[in-house]
Amino acid sequence: NAGVTQTPKFQVLKTGQSMTLQCAQDMNHNSMYWYRQDPGMGLRLIYYSASEGTTDKGEVPNGYNVSRLNKREFSLRLESAAPSQTSVYFCASSPRTGAPSNSPLHFGNGTRLTVT
Amino acid sequence: GNSVTQMEGPVTLSEEAFLTINCTYTATGYPSLFWYVQYPGEGLQLLLKATKADDKGSNKGFEATYRKETTSFHLEKGSVQVSDSAVYFCALSVIGTYKYIFGTGTRLKVLA
Repeated sequence: NAGVTQTPKFQVLKTGQSMTLQCAQDMNHNSMYWYRQDPGMGLRLIYYSASEGTTDKGEVPNGYNVSRLNKREFSLRLESAAPSQTSVYFCASSPRTGAPSNSPLHFGNGTRLTVT
Repeated sequence: GNSVTQMEGPVTLSEEAFLTINCTYTATGYPSLFWYVQYPGEGLQLLLKATKADDKGSNKGFEATYRKETTSFHLEKGSVQVSDSAVYFCALSVIGTYKYIFGTGTRLKVLA
């Protein structure tokens, strides 16, 4: 079982460059999420997709865009990278189909991004 | 609003010591509560969860009880091992939304 797969694992960008972080899950989950993890700040929600065809902003969406390509895939794009976007990015998914829910999140292993 | 507050780390313990990591929350209604563990270089893994007041979640010797009156969900383990060294995150699912909110994480280091 692959679970949630993120690519790449590491990336270094120069300020102003763009890139797309890829995420795919093979658990037939409905909801998918992008978080960033920074020291002392825990995980902060960037964007999420409650179901295929929908996306919504989280706490820190500025500077990012997302695409829910299909039920399996949810990508995160940085159009013009800034040093403040240096972070570890995690994709997660959940089987939940409504709110409230006791379904937990399933995480990928993260992408470590450095913007110089 | 909704928030999760965890005790600051790092927490350093000797092997076989008793562990408590405090977590309190602010939320509308009664959200589901979770503890996740993150080992170096990996993503977060679900450790345990509780979905209603007075529920006790448990897994791998870890326990946490959903306390509505104190809005707390403290993580405990009776005897820690070196292999428990990791970062622990408390989280809640926000009622009426698809969002999950995390605490800042508590790093645990267990010495042999």
